[in-house]
Amino acid sequence: DVKVTQSSRYLVKRTGEKVFLECVQDMDHENMFWYRQDPGLGLRLIYFSYDVKMKEKGDIPEGYSVSREKKERFSLILESASTNQTSMYLCASSSGTSGRVGNEQFFGPGTRLTVL
Amino acid sequence: AQSVTQLDSQVPVFEEAPVELRCNYSSSVSVYLFWYVQYPNQGLQLLLKYLSGSTLVKGINGFEAEFNKSQTSFHLRKPSVHISDTAEYFCAVGGSEKLVFGKGTKLTVNP
Repeated sequence: DVKVTQSSRYLVKRTGEKVFLECVQDMDHENMFWYRQDPGLGLRLIYFSYDVKMKEKGDIPEGYSVSREKKERFSLILESASTNQTSMYLCASSSGTSGRVGNEQFFGPGTRLTVL
Repeated sequence: AQSVTQLDSQVPVFEEAPVELRCNYSSSVSVYLFWYVQYPNQGLQLLLKYLSGSTLVKGINGFEAEFNKSQTSFHLRKPSVHISDTAEYFCAVGGSEKLVFGKGTKLTVNP
């Protein structure tokens, strides 16, 4: 079974801190994604990556950056956390075969981040 | 551009009743359609997907969905729900480089 793990289930940080959220997948997937989930807004894509050292902006990249130095690991970085970044963060991965579409995304359990 | 509309934000039903969760999409290209489920305090898991072929797609836990191209819909159905089906359900469309998710429907199954 595909396994996507996230470094923390719950995280509390203070405004202005630099925050790292880590995601690791064990199925050799090419594609990795970071979403944030807020009540009534569904999932919104922050950044995604199709290959090592590659990244592309999603729908809401402002205030975030990402790093993908190894195929299995995709990190989300909040350079200076703010209270409006309090949210649930979900990581996902998918196979890059047959193009980039039509392939199921596998999700991690999520990290609930609170910024005080 | 692609978009997904889930027409109901909350759906309460009684146990053993049938349920339909509605999803409409818009896309200018060929579509791939997905339904995901999220149980409390968990990530999303795939219920079913439509890529091509038969328009009636069967998934896990007794759920099924029908792709209707003329109505641009992909409604999710289950003939008899259980308490354990209480969760949030997300419809998603792909066809370009990534998935676009709807805002979710919270299904609550009451005894």
